[in-house]
Amino acid sequence: EPEVTQTPSHQVTQMGQEVILRCVPISNHLYFYWYRQILGQKVEFLVSFYNNEISEKSEIFDDQFSVERPDGSNFTLKIRSTKLEDSAMYFCASSQHLREGADTQYFGPGTRLTVL
Amino acid sequence: AQKVTQAQTEISVVEKEDVTLDCVYETRDTTYYLFWYKQPPSGELVFLIRRNSFDEQNEISGRYSWNFQKSTSSFNFTITASQVVDSAVYFCALWNRDDKIIFGKGTRLHILP
Repeated sequence: EPEVTQTPSHQVTQMGQEVILRCVPISNHLYFYWYRQILGQKVEFLVSFYNNEISEKSEIFDDQFSVERPDGSNFTLKIRSTKLEDSAMYFCASSQHLREGADTQYFGPGTRLTVL
Repeated sequence: AQKVTQAQTEISVVEKEDVTLDCVYETRDTTYYLFWYKQPPSGELVFLIRRNSFDEQNEISGRYSWNFQKSTSSFNFTITASQVVDSAVYFCALWNRDDKIIFGKGTRLHILP
């Protein structure tokens, strides 16, 4: 069964460093998402991406964040200058359709980011 | 405003008991979708069910069942004959025409042997 994959599973970085989290969505999916979950808290939407551009973003997704689909398979989240409060589990998700109704978003296993 | 409330922060039951996880949602839209996801201790999010706002028929899948009631804006989840492997955090979530899913805070379920 196809699944969303994410690398690395755990990333440790120093405050102020740049990190890139990588995701490979399900191959025939067209919509891609990033969510984050601070330890013990709920899952929060960051950004959605369709047709090579951001379609929606939350207030969390400020100028320190960017997303990219550098090739036909990867979908990346970059944090330019990490802060302590960026420590969280970051989930990538993908879905086939959206405008016809909420197609199911399938989530990757997550990348745990620890900022020291 | 769109909002999902899971009032039960944590529940513990003994194995084989039935347990119901509550979910109440708020939305202005008439078209919306509701989801349940399971997050086991390993951390991944596992899709369980999607239900659209026009389909109030209850659903059963094995030991899992869902009760959708628009009149009370609730989408409750029942596990029958619970098992230790059901121990996880369960999230109820809402989508309504934005490109995002809004999650509740989750209910941590402990199934005791």
